[in-house]
Amino acid sequence: QKEVEQDPGPLSVPEGAIVSLNCTYSNSAFQYFMWYRQYSRKGPELLMYTYSSGNKEDGRFTAQVDKSSKYISLFIRDSQPSDSATYLCARMDSNYQLIWGAGTKLIIKP
Amino acid sequence: GAVVSQHPSWVICKSGTSVKIECRSLDFQATTMFWYRQFPKQSLMLMATSNEGSKATYEQGVEKDKFLINHASLTLSTLTVTSAHPEDSSFYICSAQGSGEKLFFGSGTQLSVL
Repeated sequence: QKEVEQDPGPLSVPEGAIVSLNCTYSNSAFQYFMWYRQYSRKGPELLMYTYSSGNKEDGRFTAQVDKSSKYISLFIRDSQPSDSATYLCARMDSNYQLIWGAGTKLIIKP
Repeated sequence: GAVVSQHPSWVICKSGTSVKIECRSLDFQATTMFWYRQFPKQSLMLMATSNEGSKATYEQGVEKDKFLINHASLTLSTLTVTSAHPEDSSFYICSAQGSGEKLFFGSGTQLSVL
């Protein structure tokens, strides 16, 4: 079993819809989670990071961690075509190494 | 925000030649730099971790003699692909970490070996 599981998609939604991207993790030793967005042929850019449970909001983006179910989510409100990209979740271990999900390709249709 | 500059963005080379990729942190001191490789439709794979002034730590299955990493200063790390072959063609990305926990990524280098 991979430490971080993520559905590769693609996930296609109409413009303006709320997007929900999800990951599950198996190792609970160090709970620092990150969401990255990666456009084609570009390096990943950090969107949000969270530590412990609860929600963290930044503009149209909300990151949520549910430690009881080992589930992390990224919500995008009022989705735009420019949000079309691959979204990667990652868990940081105690050695500051990132354990990556496979990435979910998101397509926002105008 | 912190910026990491990676150069070159694209490189095409003949089989058997060596290619050097640079990763610079422009506005912070990067005590640790990471090198990743990404094959098409796959996630990032960590190749090695380098700390300034010490030898890099390579992940299992990564040939240290083939992928030479130098982290001579707090703002520069280089990855040299020696005697490159077509199977080394990939997208290579570096990331840098300063005093905090955040990682900042370069824009990546697409390597094509003919």
